[in-house]
Amino acid sequence: SQTIHQWPATLVQPVGSPLSLECTVEGTSNPNLYWYRQAAGRGLQLLFYSVGIGQISSEVPQNLSASRPQDRQFILSSKKLLLSDSGFYLCAWSRDRDNEQYFGPGTRLTVT
Amino acid sequence: AQKITQTQPGMFVQEKEAVTLDCTYDTSDQSYGLFWYKQPSSGEMIFLIYQGSYDEQNATEGRYSLNFQKARKSANLVISASQLGDSAMYFCAMGDNYGQNFVFGPGTRLSVLP
Repeated sequence: SQTIHQWPATLVQPVGSPLSLECTVEGTSNPNLYWYRQAAGRGLQLLFYSVGIGQISSEVPQNLSASRPQDRQFILSSKKLLLSDSGFYLCAWSRDRDNEQYFGPGTRLTVT
Repeated sequence: AQKITQTQPGMFVQEKEAVTLDCTYDTSDQSYGLFWYKQPSSGEMIFLIYQGSYDEQNATEGRYSLNFQKARKSANLVISASQLGDSAMYFCAMGDNYGQNFVFGPGTRLSVLP
């Protein structure tokens, strides 16, 4: 069966510090991968998605970037965090040509 | 552009009763999928049910059913026999057949009362 992992579960970082959130998927190959941020009152906002290694599409311009160094690894990064980067970050995967997305447990980021 | 609307920020239901969570969508695509997810206080997102735009029958999964009215562009979630563990945020979402252009609604917070 497929599983998706995210770490860390919670993170407190000062403004201006770097960020690296990791997401890995097990039990499947060549998944579509997604990073979401949960914004209050707006539901989930898609940040990035990837259909393959090194292929990243950005949905909104922001202070964040994503990378996919391996087939089942998706990393969300920032060089300098802003207060507005605080939130709940969810990683998800889906099979190619299937729509259902399965989510990881999420990372709660607090920027102080 | 695709858009999902959930007009009920919060809902209350008595335990063991049924509840309907509303979802309307807007898209110019002919082929699309509609989804409902549950997010308990722990934060994880749990997939509940899926309806394809060409599916003629409403989707059902246990106590969950999706009332799909294509002409009205609505995809309401019906939870039968509510349980205390159903208390959570519920998100309606829409995506294309390639798992891209995924859009979520703002969510509805359901509270089940004992």
